[in-house]
Amino acid sequence: DQQVKQNSPSLSVQEGRISILNCDYTNSMFDYFLWYKKYPAEGPTFLISISSIKDKNEDGRFTVFLNKSAKHLSLHIVPSQPGDSAVYFCAASENTDKLIFGTGTRLQVFP
Amino acid sequence: NAGVTQTPKFQVLKTGQSMTLQCAQDMNHNSMYWYRQDPGMGLRLIYYSASEGTTDKGEVPNGYNVSRLNKREFSLRLESAAPSQTSVYFCASPKRGGGSEAFFGQGTRLTVV
Repeated sequence: DQQVKQNSPSLSVQEGRISILNCDYTNSMFDYFLWYKKYPAEGPTFLISISSIKDKNEDGRFTVFLNKSAKHLSLHIVPSQPGDSAVYFCAASENTDKLIFGTGTRLQVFP
Repeated sequence: NAGVTQTPKFQVLKTGQSMTLQCAQDMNHNSMYWYRQDPGMGLRLIYYSASEGTTDKGEVPNGYNVSRLNKREFSLRLESAAPSQTSVYFCASPKRGGGSEAFFGQGTRLTVV
C-alpha cells in the first residue's frame, strides 16, 4: 500500500519555464514533508521541506506547497535550469524517524 | 567529513550466497536507515534504527537482517540472496528525529544471478 504517491513518472520542461512536480499522500498523520533530488549513480540529496503547520515554504528557485485537505504537495522550480534534470522524490513522516518515499518523477529540462 | 559511507559500491552474488552491506556515518546522528531502490518502486524502507541498540522493520524487511553495531555503523545482511534482491541499496542517516533531513550514502548496486 503506497502511502506516498507520485503519479507522474516523468516530466519534460523547457529551460526558463516553471517545473511543477506533484505528490499525494494517504496518511493524514504525516506532519513533515520533504523533497529529495537524485542524480544517476549518486545518493538522494535533500532539497526542501515543509511542516504540516505551514502551506508554503520557499528556498531560492524552489517552493513547496502543501494542501492538507487534499493530501497533496507540490514542488515548483522557477526558472528551470538544465542542471535541475534529475529524479525528484517526495517523502513524508509522522514525527518518527521513518521517512516514507514516493516512487519518484524524472525531470528533464531541455534548452 | 565523509557523511555517510557505504561499502561495497558494486557486488554480484550467486543465488544462495550471503553478504553484508556496510554503512558508517560520522555525523554523530542517532538514527540510521536502509532503503532499496527499484525501477518504478521508488525508495522503500527495509530496516531502520532509531538509536544505538534498537532496530525496527520497515516496509520490505523479508530476506534481510540488520545490526546496529554502534552509533556509527549499521549493517545490512542478506543470508541467502535471491534474484528479487537485485537492487540499489542506500544507507541514510537523518539529522535529527521527526523524519528530518536525511543524508544518504552513494549506494550499493547489487546483482543476484
